[in-house]
Amino acid sequence: SQQGEEDPQALSIQEGENATMNCSYKTSINNLQWYRQNSGRGLVHLILIRSNEREKHSGRLRVTLDTSKKSSSLLITASRAADTASYFCATDPAYGQNFVFGPGTRLSVLP
Amino acid sequence: EPEVTQTPSHQVTQMGQEVILRCVPISNHLYFYWYRQILGQKVEFLVSFYNNEISEKSEIFDDQFSVERPDGSNFTLKIRSTKLEDSAMYFCASSGSGQNQETQYFGPGTRLLVL
Repeated sequence: SQQGEEDPQALSIQEGENATMNCSYKTSINNLQWYRQNSGRGLVHLILIRSNEREKHSGRLRVTLDTSKKSSSLLITASRAADTASYFCATDPAYGQNFVFGPGTRLSVLP
Repeated sequence: EPEVTQTPSHQVTQMGQEVILRCVPISNHLYFYWYRQILGQKVEFLVSFYNNEISEKSEIFDDQFSVERPDGSNFTLKIRSTKLEDSAMYFCASSGSGQNQETQYFGPGTRLLVL
């Protein structure tokens, strides 16, 4: 898979349920970040996890990082209709390259 | 809360015309970036800029593209002779220094349509 590849590509859940999105990457990284993009809008930074961290929380967001598997997951708990958006992971490669974004997961939270 | 701003929000141009997309990064940030996102596709890195010069650029950023920081607040992306395939959303981003460089803050984007 490509650097910063998310799955699933699309996810549809009911309000109140949890949503889990995954990201895989290929090269060593300094950190991995998750961004949200509402339709046709800019990217909003959600959370950053460094390569020496395994888990991070921010409100209803929980991010894990497994550097041995080169993967990360983003969990949104107790989802709301307002969480409907595309979610992108972006990796900051360890060796002199700039952010690499994945294709994103389109999350739909149904009321 | 400080934010990155971009103008215009939408731009329609004819193929072959020059366009300038403008960005005002967060005021104390030192690193500036341009990305593009073709409709329905992933966000792609174009160029990074630091200390008044390009620090990195991607294969997309060919001779038709240039960036400039004409004054202390603006950061511009110029496309000299637009092509149909330049139609995309263009995002500016900025980041601070040291550990604050890790997080890039994005503007709302400029939607460019080349006819």
